Amino acid sequence: DAKTTQPPSMDCAEGRAANLPCNHSTISGNEYVYWYRQIHSQGPQYIIHGLKNNETNEMASLIITEDRKSSTLILPHATLRDTAVYYCIVRVNNDMRFGAGTRLTVKP
Amino acid sequence: GAGVSQSPSNKVTEKGKDVELRCDPISGHTALYWYRQSLGQGLEFLIYFQGNSAPDKSGLPSDRFSAERTGGSVSTLTIQRTQQEDSAVYLCASSLAHTSGIYEQYFGPGTRLTVT
Repeated sequence: DAKTTQPPSMDCAEGRAANLPCNHSTISGNEYVYWYRQIHSQGPQYIIHGLKNNETNEMASLIITEDRKSSTLILPHATLRDTAVYYCIVRVNNDMRFGAGTRLTVKP
Repeated sequence: GAGVSQSPSNKVTEKGKDVELRCDPISGHTALYWYRQSLGQGLEFLIYFQGNSAPDKSGLPSDRFSAERTGGSVSTLTIQRTQQEDSAVYLCASSLAHTSGIYEQYFGPGTRLTVT
């Protein structure tokens, strides 16, 4: 029970923004939204997390809707190296349950 | 600095044998997690340690699976009487003290287990 829903796959053109959606309609008030990605044959890598406010770091931006039932991860200028499976997770404490994620393919 | 390390990187074993997988977390990280990932699948949570204790063992798939952590550092995941369905990549992650739940996990490279 991953508590999130993501599209199984998406394509993006190199240099364009990649917008990855996630639905988490049953999120509780104290649960954070986390994003990780997994590049082929590597362990998952942390990207960003947020609770209510939008967040930005050197890797990505996270937009959380006001009702917190969905969020979008934005990679502003996707590169070929961003091709990976992206996982959206809601968690409180240790309960990190990964779903199937979205396989993002960045194409030249 | 050094990241999470796991050994061995690959393990091939015969059905029915026992295997031990090792995880060295990042120094100072008191929380440690084990996951497994079958081919083409997402991550499956197995067990979580805070220090040497495991408050959440809910993900262990059967009583053939066990894990321990000593000295608040190294952890071993043991699978007894391995079965072919145990074949997967076993991933370990660590994070800072688990209190408010806002700490990101750092993952190791995984151990690829193949049961023949």
